[in-house]
Amino acid sequence: GAGVSQSPSNKVTEKGKDVELRCDPISGHTALYWYRQSLGQGLEFLIYFQGNSAPDKSGLPSDRFSAERTGGSVSTLTIQRTQQEDSAVYLCASSLRPMTGNTEAFFGQGTRLTVV
Amino acid sequence: DAKTTQPPSMDCAEGRAANLPCNHSTISGNEYVYWYRQIHSQGPQYIIHGLKNNETNEMASLIITEDRKSSTLILPHATLRDTAVYYCIVRVAGSGNTPLVFGKGTRLSVIA
Repeated sequence: GAGVSQSPSNKVTEKGKDVELRCDPISGHTALYWYRQSLGQGLEFLIYFQGNSAPDKSGLPSDRFSAERTGGSVSTLTIQRTQQEDSAVYLCASSLRPMTGNTEAFFGQGTRLTVV
Repeated sequence: DAKTTQPPSMDCAEGRAANLPCNHSTISGNEYVYWYRQIHSQGPQYIIHGLKNNETNEMASLIITEDRKSSTLILPHATLRDTAVYYCIVRVAGSGNTPLVFGKGTRLSVIA
């Protein structure tokens, strides 16, 4: 596709349920990132994938959060046993190469997750 | 990566130039300056980046001081659609597998 695509655009779930968020990066982009943004807050880094390397999970807030990237393309962010504090916009970004100093990242429109 | 300091908010009259400052006094010689913006309810959008020379593209100009300790993003003719949060980020070239770290940015309000 022309840009980073995320689905669903909105998700409402009950506390305690599991959710899966999907990200389709730009074709050919080897690096993929997940961020989240709570209401009125800045962007918080969650996890990073680069090619076949082990992902950088240093930003994941708890073990309820996990992510996969299959075939070096599509990624799924899974949140288990959702809590109300998980409510946020989850943003995915991809870049042609790792985010070195001279390569920009392209962001999707995000998935707005609401836990009730 | 070096830290940046930006004013929390700015106003600009429609049609006038918007000049958004960023202080990065601890920047290293191999760090680039990046600007992104985030319009309400959208994902961040890349604007421009530079190392030490001034840069211009179809969206904006980036002016970097000679000592590289600060920079200014210039939107030459601001429109209402430029209302957004603008993020100034510095990144080490060749640092490999680390993400962009976003601060709080500057909330620019373009006023008719």
